[in-house]
Amino acid sequence: GQQVMQIPQYQHVQEGEDFTTYCNSSTTLSNIQWYKQRPGGHPVFLIQLVKSGEVKKQKRLTFQFGEAKKNSSLHITATQTTDVGTYFCAGLPGVQGGSEKLVFGKGTKLTVNP
Amino acid sequence: KAGVTQTPRYLIKTRGQQVTLSCSPISGHRSVSWYQQTPGQGLQFLFEYFSETQRNKGNFPGRFSGRQFSNSRSEMNVSTLELGDSALYLCASSLIRGQANTGELFFGEGSRLTVL
Repeated sequence: GQQVMQIPQYQHVQEGEDFTTYCNSSTTLSNIQWYKQRPGGHPVFLIQLVKSGEVKKQKRLTFQFGEAKKNSSLHITATQTTDVGTYFCAGLPGVQGGSEKLVFGKGTKLTVNP
Repeated sequence: KAGVTQTPRYLIKTRGQQVTLSCSPISGHRSVSWYQQTPGQGLQFLFEYFSETQRNKGNFPGRFSGRQFSNSRSEMNVSTLELGDSALYLCASSLIRGQANTGELFFGEGSRLTVL
């Protein structure tokens, strides 16, 4: 079945450093979503990317969708302690027929040292 | 607008027992998905319901089952509990247009199950 690999599994940075997490799918994706889960919390939707090569920004967060629609990245510039949490990507496979399910990566746990 | 509500938030069971978890989606959301979250395995998809029908099912044994009611509320049941079933069970609702998911999942806070 479809797999979504996410790396790294863990990332520890000093406050102010940049952070990037990468997501790779074994198959072409219809779209990809990113979620953030704070410690003790539940996943919260950040963004959805649909188009090949798409780049979206949310303040210090930059999201990219690869040209082949098989990979994506999330980059955080100048991390802050509020960025702490686990970041998940979730891919929706191929042509959207209505019944496909999202496949989540295992997440990247980010810790930030103040 | 109220968010996704899951009950109970915490529960402790012993091996062999069964458990039923409940999820009330956001008003107007007809799709409800269930996920199991454990430290080692991340978010594992259990099943998705839409208009009282199971649309998708993950790779879990038959001990895991679910259903959806006409008001879109959903329940999942785990029978003959095993130690490995200890996890955070997350429910997520989403908006459907036509037959397709519009994308964003709204998660509840989860039901944390401990099996002793």
